[in-house]
Amino acid sequence: RKEVEQDPGPFNVPEGATVAFNCTYSNSASQSFFWYRQDCRKEPKLLMSVYSSGNEDGRFTAQLNRASQYISLLIRDSKLSDSATYLCVVNLRRGGGNKLTFGTGTQLKVEL
Amino acid sequence: GAGVSQSPRYKVAKRGQDVALRCDPISGHVSLFWYQQALGQGPEFLTYFQNEAQLDKSGLPSDRFFAERPEGSVSTLKIQRTQQEDSAVYLCASSLEARNPSYEQYFGPGTRLTVT
Repeated sequence: RKEVEQDPGPFNVPEGATVAFNCTYSNSASQSFFWYRQDCRKEPKLLMSVYSSGNEDGRFTAQLNRASQYISLLIRDSKLSDSATYLCVVNLRRGGGNKLTFGTGTQLKVEL
Repeated sequence: GAGVSQSPRYKVAKRGQDVALRCDPISGHVSLFWYQQALGQGPEFLTYFQNEAQLDKSGLPSDRFFAERPEGSVSTLKIQRTQQEDSAVYLCASSLEARNPSYEQYFGPGTRLTVT
């Protein structure tokens, strides 16, 4: 079983739609959680951190459920520019440092 | 300011050749990470440095892979006797601080290695 599991998609949605991505992780000792965005042939970039209390950044809302080891990302009012791969990431602290473990990524295509 | 830079951006190697990939982290960043990203997959952790100390190399796939950061700044990932399965994008990331798990890792553009 992979440490971080995501539906690879692709999710094809019309502009303006609301789309939700889910992710599960296997290591209950994971300490921090993130969503990264990766455009085609580019490096991953941090989209937002994820907290148990839930957090929102504009059209993006992230939620963490530690009991179920489940992370979600909600995108409202999708824009064409949201088309990218969304990587679910957990941080397992080891060796005195922070080891990020990435999911395979979920591909989003927003269409006219 | 300048972000993480990597060179070369693209490398084609014949099977059996040695390659060296360079990473220049953001100035002042204590932590440096190397990841391998195969096509259609997420990045996979290879190794981690805190300053010049390599604290975790659990992700290196074989003893053909070697990384160093001798002065705690620039890092080099070396792959000896390259194999076709080494073809991937090699990403370097740096982070300001080592102890805080919430600190963002900033990624470089990667080196795309193709072994023929």
